[in-house]
Amino acid sequence: QVQLVESGGGVVQPGRSLRLSCAASGFTFRTSGMHWVRQAPGKGPEWVAVISYDGTKKDYADSVKGRFTISRDNSKNALSLQLNSLKPEDTAIYYCAKDFGGGYVPYYFDHWGQGALVTVSA
Amino acid sequence: AIHLTQSPSSLSASVGDSVTITCRASQGIKSELAWYQQKPGNVPKLLISDASSLKSGVPSRFSGRASGTDFTLTISSLQPEDFATYYCQQFNSFPLTFGGGTKVEVK
Repeated sequence: QVQLVESGGGVVQPGRSLRLSCAASGFTFRTSGMHWVRQAPGKGPEWVAVISYDGTKKDYADSVKGRFTISRDNSKNALSLQLNSLKPEDTAIYYCAKDFGGGYVPYYFDHWGQGALVTVSA
Repeated sequence: AIHLTQSPSSLSASVGDSVTITCRASQGIKSELAWYQQKPGNVPKLLISDASSLKSGVPSRFSGRASGTDFTLTISSLQPEDFATYYCQQFNSFPLTFGGGTKVEVK
């Protein structure tokens, strides 16, 4: 079955960086678009970024554009999110989510990981 | 960005009740809308895609409809395991956006 396991969360000071990883298994990773979606405490989900199956298309929410970078390694079935210049409002659970399609066109999320908590605080 | 307005933000209901949640899009999105269920401490679970297509394994008491820019999720006979928060999400265009959520609580 599909498994998505995030790692790399933690407490970080404002302005610092963090890197999240997601290990994927149970499906053909190299043909699937992948996303990061975050959820602040007590709030609804917020889409963060998408990467196409081949890594050539990437798109970001305006709130993270220029600060976060999504990437993937299809040889390792791995997805990453580099978070730079972190702000307190970036505090959230960050979920790795599988796209229903290849990531080139907008779609929905058919599987989610359990999430990694990122807390940005002095 | 396409804005999704969900209503109500919360509702109280009893087991066996029928409940309907509405999601209104700020512009036309065809049928490119999904519904998720999230229980406290859990990950969102996909219930419906393409406005009305029930995903495998989701009970048939859940149904979705589309009418223009208005979308509804109906639970026909609420069960104890259905008390949760429900979110709509549009996939017509990037950025992908979610509604604000509807919390279904026990009356």
